[in-house]
Amino acid sequence: DQQVKQNSPSLSVQEGRISILNCDYTNSMFDYFLWYKKYPAEGPTFLISISSIKDKNEDGRFTVFLNKSAKHLSLHIVPSQPGDSAVYFCAARYGNKLVFGAGTILRVKS
Amino acid sequence: DTEVTQTPKHLVMGMTNKKSLKCEQHMGHRAMYWYKQKAKKPPELMFVYSYEKLSINESVPSRFSPECPNSSLLNLHLHALQPEDSALYLCASSTGLAASNEQFFGPGTRLTVL
Repeated sequence: DQQVKQNSPSLSVQEGRISILNCDYTNSMFDYFLWYKKYPAEGPTFLISISSIKDKNEDGRFTVFLNKSAKHLSLHIVPSQPGDSAVYFCAARYGNKLVFGAGTILRVKS
Repeated sequence: DTEVTQTPKHLVMGMTNKKSLKCEQHMGHRAMYWYKQKAKKPPELMFVYSYEKLSINESVPSRFSPECPNSSLLNLHLHALQPEDSALYLCASSTGLAASNEQFFGPGTRLTVL
């Protein structure tokens, strides 16, 4: 039973345009959401997070939006850069546990 | 020093071998984690240590035995593994267990069980 779902296995975007990565969850007990980026042969790197009491958090080119009623969150990257090409994992926490989605491969073309 | 290191990077072992994975951090973090990641799947939590005590064991088979000798070091002892245990094993650490404490991940150990 996948509690955190990233339904798009991959996304391809032109450099300078917006990248939108989506994530859905089923467990209403999740109270914190995070996005991680992973390059090949490296561990996941924390990118940005949002508490369940907020609906938006922004950090530079990265913005995360949370829609609790829809149990949906999204990561916006604007403008996208070739160095953003990586696997992006959505993750959600309840208690001491972090549950990951399957990841979305983002390719930013120059 | 803001990194989590893991050794070895790659490990090949037979089903009768005993081996250990090592994870180290010097960020003063008091929570450490082991995850297992199979190909094209998300990382799955195995164990959580908080202040050197085992806090969570996600029903992991006893052939995986974690150990936290001190606050900077986390080991995973492997014995009598099966081929299906082949995966990337990721270690992570965080300041504490609070929800807002982001986890810092190491690069992982790629384990192959023959």
